Formats: sequence, C-alpha cells, structure tokens
Amino acid sequence: LAKTTQPISMDSYEGQEVNITCSHNNIATNDYITWYQQFPSQGPRFIIQGYKTKVTNEVASLFIPADRKSSTLSLPRVSLSDTAVYYCLVDDAGNMLTFGGGTRLMVKP
Amino acid sequence: DGGITQSPKYLFRKEGQNVTLSCEQNLNHDAMYWYRQDPGQGLRLIYYSQIVNDFQKGDIAEGYSVSREKKESFPLTVTSAQKNPTAFYLCASSIVRGQSSYNEQFFGPGTRLTVL
Repeated sequence: LAKTTQPISMDSYEGQEVNITCSHNNIATNDYITWYQQFPSQGPRFIIQGYKTKVTNEVASLFIPADRKSSTLSLPRVSLSDTAVYYCLVDDAGNMLTFGGGTRLMVKP
Repeated sequence: DGGITQSPKYLFRKEGQNVTLSCEQNLNHDAMYWYRQDPGQGLRLIYYSQIVNDFQKGDIAEGYSVSREKKESFPLTVTSAQKNPTAFYLCASSIVRGQSSYNEQFFGPGTRLTVL
C-alpha cells in the first residue's frame, strides 16, 4: 500500500493562499491522489482528485509533478471556515482508502 | 435527498453490552465501509462490503461484526470483545472500481459511541 506523509499542522490567515504538500513515494501506476476535508465531529468530505499535472475545481487546485511522488493541495484565499483537517490519500487497488493523520489547518483572523 | 445516514448521533452503553450502529444509504452504491476515529487521529477501516451478502475485514475488525443483507444497509455491531469501543464511528459508501476511475467515498455524519 502506498503511504502518504503530510505535515501535522499548518497555520494561516484569512485571505491567504494555503498550500499543503503530501509525499507518496511508493505510488503505483494506476493510483489516483485524493484529498478529503474533515470538520470536527463530521464525516470527511471529498475535495479533489487527480492523476497527474493540475486539476482545478471550485474549491481547490491539485498540483502533481511528473514523477507523481508528491502532490500539493492549494486553497485560494482561505477563510475561517476552512479550518479543518485535510487528508491526502492514494487510491490503491480494491477501493480501499488509507487515511493517515492528516494536516490540521488553522485559519486565523 | 440522496445521502447516507447514521443513527443515533450519540450512543451510550454500559461495558459488556453489545451495541449496533445503523448505516443507510440511498445513493445506489454497491460498496459500503465502516471506519473508527479516535481523538486527534485519522480514520481506520473496520469492515467493508462491495456487494450484498459479502464483506471483508479491514485493519481493525477484532471485536466488531457486520451484515449486508440489503444494498442500502450496512449495520455495525460493537461486541463486548472490543476492548476499547469508545470512539467516533463513520460509515461511508462508494461505487465499485471498474464503473469509474474515481473512488469518491461519501460519508455519513457519524455516531459517537461512549461506553461507560
């Protein structure tokens, strides 16, 4: 199983761009990279998924270099409501998702 | 509204009692999952099912049991054999790989179980 490593926590201020980097050195050819967001006492929510290069949706962007050994989630102009835990996952065979500890993002006013 | 529901939101039980957590989905998903989350930790997979009447153990299945008699329902029983059952339990569902390249899991609101 491909394992992911991401920072335990990050602080930011309202209106700033936040970039959370995740490393996944053992990613397999068929694996996708997926990011989830979790607020306290709620289930995680899908944010974005990608395979290579750049993916953008209304919430975030995901940058994946050519070797795919890392990825960066970019949140533009964060607000207080973006304070949450962000999980980077590699979608391995068999539909299993392995959630690590995630990155706790604290957005300050 | 389409979605996944869990009940109850909070559950209290005495030590030594079995307890069953409900999970229902109307998303027509084939796969369903149960996770456990402890404070400050990530999610750990307990059991999963990709088709009715079939399920597989996850990373921490000991002390838990499940059934999948209907596509929409995947109840989890926390037995007295589970040594430390107090936790936040999350149920999720998804399509099965092969139908799409994506594997987005949709999560329920969770059940917080406290064993006294």
